Amino acid sequence: DAGITQSPRYKITETGRQVTLMCHQTWSHSYMFWYRQDLGHGLRLIYYSAAADITDKGEVPDGYVVSRSKTENFPLTLESATRSQTSVYFCASRPLDRATYGYTFGSGTRLTVV
Amino acid sequence: KNQVEQSPQSLIILEGKNCTLQCNYTVSPFSNLRWYKQDTGRGPVSLTIMTFSENTKSNGRYTATLDADTKQSSLHITASQLSDSASYICVVSGRDNTDKLIFGTGTRLQVFP
Repeated sequence: DAGITQSPRYKITETGRQVTLMCHQTWSHSYMFWYRQDLGHGLRLIYYSAAADITDKGEVPDGYVVSRSKTENFPLTLESATRSQTSVYFCASRPLDRATYGYTFGSGTRLTVV
Repeated sequence: KNQVEQSPQSLIILEGKNCTLQCNYTVSPFSNLRWYKQDTGRGPVSLTIMTFSENTKSNGRYTATLDADTKQSSLHITASQLSDSASYICVVSGRDNTDKLIFGTGTRLQVFP
């Protein structure tokens, strides 16, 4: 089924470990985004990408690394996980025409850092 | 500071009733406002998108209104169904960089039979 998929759905990791969250979309959307969602906060942008090999920081990029070697994939890596990175992470994408089309979100990855 | 505030934080209604959710924003300059529905354990799903020149947009039983002068928006749900139980999130983008969306914290709606 076409769409945007995230994996894994749930992940528990230890403090200091490196962990990578995967995001894959099948629409060939130019733009892709990573957000985190925490209680008491609206979704906050971590990183985004306008095209393959083009990435930029969002509101809360510290402690995260992204890459985009292919248009359809946008992995998010926590280089050394901390408890404050316990959150639900959402990947999203959109086509070039942002005024007409909404952002499409994946189902999320719930990450727990212990 | 650009902000989006939603009210109420949570709401309980009976199936078949109508309800209205509120969104106030301070984002300026303003480009568009979106309402999303987020089911528990799922990602947000777009309901409506309105630019500053639009003052109403419908999607089935969902009707969004926008007053760009007072910087207020509302989402009206008609004849609620159990499946409407979800969080509803108001999202605003500014004209300078519309990819840096500003999200409200959402209204948690529960519809009971």
